[in-house]
Parts: sequence; C-alpha cells; structure tokens
Amino acid sequence: GAGVSQSPSNKVTEKGKDVELRCDPISGHTALYWYRQRLGQGLEFLIYFQGNSAPDKSGLPSDRFSAERTGESVSTLTIQRTQQEDSAVYLCASSFTGTSRSTDTQYFGPGTRLTVL
Amino acid sequence: AQTVTQSQPEMSVQEAETVTLSCTYDTSESDYYLFWYKQPPSRQMILVIRQEAYKQQNATENRFSVNFQKAAKSFSLKISDSQLGDAAMYFCAYRSAYSGYALNFGKGTSLLVTP
Repeated sequence: GAGVSQSPSNKVTEKGKDVELRCDPISGHTALYWYRQRLGQGLEFLIYFQGNSAPDKSGLPSDRFSAERTGESVSTLTIQRTQQEDSAVYLCASSFTGTSRSTDTQYFGPGTRLTVL
Repeated sequence: AQTVTQSQPEMSVQEAETVTLSCTYDTSESDYYLFWYKQPPSRQMILVIRQEAYKQQNATENRFSVNFQKAAKSFSLKISDSQLGDAAMYFCAYRSAYSGYALNFGKGTSLLVTP
C-alpha cells in the first residue's frame, strides 16, 4: 500500500477483555515499531521488529502486552485483560531498515484509538 | 535515558507570520538524530524536518527550519509564512545513533493558526 495502515480506527472494549490491533507496514519496509500515545502526552515506544531478528520488547509496559509480526508484513499488538489505563492511541510506524546508524524516516499510520470502559 | 522537553504546551500565530517552537533534550551522547513531527487531528504523524547531530548546518525544508544548538542541547523549529494548514500538534523527537531504534518524544506543542 501507499502508507502504513492500521485497523480498527477506533476500538471500545470493556475492562478485562482482550483486544488485537493490526498494522500493515509500507511494502518493503523491514522495520516496524509500535508506540502508545496517552491523552496529552508524547509517544511512548512499545516494541520494535527488524526483519527476522528477535524483537526489542523493552518498551512493553506489562506482560499483558504482546506483539507478533509475520516476516516483514503485518503485525498485531495484543493487549490481554485490558485495564482503563490502557486507553490510548496506539500508533504503528515502519521504516526501510531501522538500524541505529540509518537516517531512515519512520512513517506512521493513523493509529487505533482504544477506549477501555 | 534521553529526555526531550517541549516547554510550550500551546502556541498561537497569525497567518503569514513566523513562529518558533522550542525543544531541549538531555543526552550524554555525541551522535544522534533530532526530528520534528506534525500531528494534525487525523492523528497521522508526519515528519516535518530532521537534523543529524554531526552536521553543523541547520536543516531547512521550505518554510520550516531549525535552530540546532548542540552545546545548549536545543532544537527549535521555525515556521515562516504560517498557513492555516500548519495548525497541529508538533512533537520534537530524539533518536540515538548508537543504540536503540525508538524515537523519544516530547509532550508536544499545540499550534493554533489564526486568520
């Protein structure tokens, strides 16, 4: 596709339910990132995928959060037993290589707004 | 961990005027990248401008330019000839050139453009 796409655009769920958020990166981009944006805040890094390497999960806030990526394509972020503090916009980004020394731009999707009641 | 501070929660500018958004950061590294992203109500983060720390020259992209002061750890964004379409949240971000791949973001500045 032309850009990073995310689905759903909005998700309302009840506390304790599991949710899955999807990200389709730009074709050919090997690096994929998930960020969380709480209301009135900047973005917080959650997880990073680079090709077939083990993901960097250092930003995941708890073991209720997990993410998968199949090859260099779609990624899903799963939040189990959602809590009200999980309410936020979840943004996905992709870049061409994602290595530290690269100046690759991270291209962002429109995000999924998650509301936990 | 590097921290990025945007001290102006909100700024306002009249159309066609110039506005400067402030950003400071804290790091012990000598090589890194700095970015300004724009986030309109659509939520899509759009890269406005990028600066590599080892470059002395300030980056410029059309009406957008930065004032990069490495010693002062300051990275301000100047928007010239402001347009209504510039209204958005603006985020300053830092990325290490040595380790990690994630962007560290400030809390953002909301820019209002008045006719």
